[in-house]
Amino acid sequence: GAGVSQSPRYKVAKRGQDVALRCDPISGHVSLFWYQQALGQGPEFLTYFQNEAQLDKSGLPSDRFFAERPEGSVSTLKIQRTQQEDSAVYLCASSLISVNEQFFGPGTRLTVL
Amino acid sequence: AQSVTQLGSHVSVSEGALVLLRCNYSSSVPPYLFWYVQYPNQGLQLLLKYTSAATLVKGINGFEAEFKKSETSFHLTKPSAHMSDAAEYFCAVSEGGGADGLTFGKGTHLIIQP
Repeated sequence: GAGVSQSPRYKVAKRGQDVALRCDPISGHVSLFWYQQALGQGPEFLTYFQNEAQLDKSGLPSDRFFAERPEGSVSTLKIQRTQQEDSAVYLCASSLISVNEQFFGPGTRLTVL
Repeated sequence: AQSVTQLGSHVSVSEGALVLLRCNYSSSVPPYLFWYVQYPNQGLQLLLKYTSAATLVKGINGFEAEFKKSETSFHLTKPSAHMSDAAEYFCAVSEGGGADGLTFGKGTHLIIQP
């Protein structure tokens, strides 16, 4: 079966632009996670969904970051008015609710100029 | 709050030598612990996980890790390094059984010398 997919793989934005990053989880996976990985760092948790419910958004760095999963499958991470410090790889992961393994997608590399 | 410390941002070993990557954690509850590997321009792949069962955990590609509560450690080892092991390795902790956001260390870049 297909793994977690993310699009686009690469995104270049001018400072101030809005961007939308998409994540397609593994079919049937209830839980979906977003992480931000800065260059040379480990991933940092942003937010977590169980089906369509956003259960934890404590890691979102500012109110410019917004995530949704309206139908409990595909998720979109939106960043408004991008800043240079938003440049990072954004990773999406999904898991079965009863299994403690998260499967990661390849990530979207965002560069803000 | 949970945290992870990986000692050594870069580790270099010769091909065929023992690999030892260190991970220490901090957690207020019995943790679940994970090791992930990341190859360039790819996502993270799970190597192994500790879920409060056996303290010695065997994973893929010949890697294993031992959970030591007294030392709050979960070091990753492999008896004999292979060139294909060159990658970035991340240790992660979860207080929610993995069904919550993971807290990762900063990573260790493993270099294999021929």
